[in-house]
Amino acid sequence: DGGITQSPKYLFRKEGQNVTLSCEQNLNHDAMYWYRQDPGQGLRLIYYSQIVNDFQKGDIAEGYSVSREKKESFPLTVTSAQKNPTAFYLCASESAAGINSPLHFGNGTRLTVT
Amino acid sequence: DAKTTQPTSMDCAEGRAANLPCNHSTISGNEYVYWYRQIHSQGPQYIIHGLKNNETNEMASLIITEDRKSSTLILPHATLRDTAVYYCIVSQFGAGSYQLTFGKGTKLSVIP
Repeated sequence: DGGITQSPKYLFRKEGQNVTLSCEQNLNHDAMYWYRQDPGQGLRLIYYSQIVNDFQKGDIAEGYSVSREKKESFPLTVTSAQKNPTAFYLCASESAAGINSPLHFGNGTRLTVT
Repeated sequence: DAKTTQPTSMDCAEGRAANLPCNHSTISGNEYVYWYRQIHSQGPQYIIHGLKNNETNEMASLIITEDRKSSTLILPHATLRDTAVYYCIVSQFGAGSYQLTFGKGTKLSVIP
């Protein structure tokens, strides 16, 4: 089955450590996205990538970094500069940005930083 | 993107139709209405979208008013597995999904 895989499902880190969240898709989609969700809130866009080797900041990019070296992979690094990193992180993809195709989401990674 | 307004929460009896309203009074002519839902601790799932005609698929029906200022998502026979947060979003045709705004949505509770 095609889909988006996020790993791990739960992640625990100490404050001051960088951590990388994995997102892999086998849908052959060009565009990929990272969102953050806090309890009782909607989704906020962190970064997005419309094509390999290109990515753009979203609304809350500070303290995060990404790479898009392969079409199927879009890892997110939460750096020590992110002031409130504890959250639920969602990765999504769509076939191509700008054609109103629905977003496909992974099942998320819940990051807890103490 | 135009903003949307949804009730914070709704209840529906199992087996009955669930009607979820959404106001998008500032929607422009080339903006689509999308619905997604999110079951607790999972990623959102696409349900349906439309421009001005009513739409139906295996999951739900979407009714858009003639003036396009509001819409209703209908789950014809709600089950306990339909308990989720439902998001109504408008998106300009040709715009990337990076322009979508996921608000707080409507928490639908299906009651046995």
